[in-house]
Formats: sequence, structure tokens, C-alpha cells
Amino acid sequence: AQKVTQAQTEISVVEKEDVTLDCVYETRDTTYYLFWYKQPPSGELVFLIRRNSFDEQNEISGRYSWNFQKSTSSFNFTITASQVVDSAVYFCALSASGTYKYIFGTGTRLKVLA
Amino acid sequence: NAGVTQTPKFRILKIGQSMTLQCTQDMNHNYMYWYRQDPGMGLKLIYYSVGAGITDKGEVPNGYNVSRSTTEDFPLRLELAAPSQTSVYFCASSPGLAGGSYEQYFGPGTRLTVT
Repeated sequence: AQKVTQAQTEISVVEKEDVTLDCVYETRDTTYYLFWYKQPPSGELVFLIRRNSFDEQNEISGRYSWNFQKSTSSFNFTITASQVVDSAVYFCALSASGTYKYIFGTGTRLKVLA
Repeated sequence: NAGVTQTPKFRILKIGQSMTLQCTQDMNHNYMYWYRQDPGMGLKLIYYSVGAGITDKGEVPNGYNVSRSTTEDFPLRLELAAPSQTSVYFCASSPGLAGGSYEQYFGPGTRLTVT
């Protein structure tokens, strides 16, 4: 069975602090894909990143970075120098290659205070 | 290129009424999905489709029906609405032939209240 766990229900930080959102997944598949999505207060879901199971390189995009570790089944997301506009719910998702289904975590609500 | 569009944005239904949530995508994606998001929760898959004429149940299909007569459209039908169906409904699409390998593109959502 596949599962995605985002143990942090809500995190509050002060602007300019760094913050890491945790994502732990379970799957028996050898080929799979991991995703992060952002859901701002307006409600839409915005794709942030996709990572396949064969690529454990960390990725950095501006203030965002992702750390993928197969050894611990984790795909964590760090925001550096957080801003108020980063306030949103962030979802981690998993999909096994060849399937058509995506398993979402329950999300982490990030509040960045000015 | 509008992406994924959903109508209506908001709807209030009385118990026992029926309605259809519309979803259209203009990206020529094969895969389309319907999710519901309950307050403070993640997304639960209702139905999905891998191409025109092909649909399958997801995690929570009871009380819903879908059809996929064209690549672009994937309407979700609620029959005999119940308060438990109060939720935000998202339609999504995904490209390519490799199924879950690709990211999903989401519509703006439909907020449905059943009273």
C-alpha cells in the first residue's frame, strides 16, 4: 500500500525565518514520483516540483529547496527566508509509475507572520 | 490556454437534489481526475479517467458518477445530494502516456454545500 505522511499539521514562523516541511512516504514500488503542491488562501492548487525515485539530487529553486532521501523515505521541503506570501497549505503527493493514482498527504498549513 | 476550468464556483444544494459539476481542459491531456477536499484534510480521489470512454472508481466513489465522452470534458454527477457531500471539489488533468509520472494541473475548485 502507498501512504504519504505529513506529520506537521500547522507551522507558524516569523518572516525571514527558514522553515522545513516534512514528508514521509511508503511504497513498495521501485519507480515512483513525488510531488509538492501549494494551496494558498485563494484555494487553487499550484504544482511546485516533481521528483522521480531514481534522482536523489537535491533541488533548489530560488528560496525553495527540496531534500529527497530514499534511505529515510523522505522528501522534505525547505523555504529559506520565508515571506508572508508563502503562507499556504502545502501538500506532498506520491504516484507509482504506471499507475494513474496520486496519494496525497493531509497537508501542512504554514503561517508566516510579518 | 485556459488550463482546467470548473463550473460552477459555488453551489448550495438541498438534500436529495442532483447536480453536475463541469470540468474542461484544453491541454489535450489523457488523464483526468475528480477529488474532494474536506476542511482541514487532504485530497481524496473520487473518480478518474485515462481517456475518452474510460473511467474508474477512486477512493470515495459512492454517491457520484462520471462520464468521459471527449478528451476535454469530465463532468461529475451528484445524485441525491447528502450533507456528507459538502466539500470542495477539484478537477485535475495530467499529460502523457506514463500515468502517474507527471504532475497534475488543477482547476480552481467548486465549493458545494448540501443543506
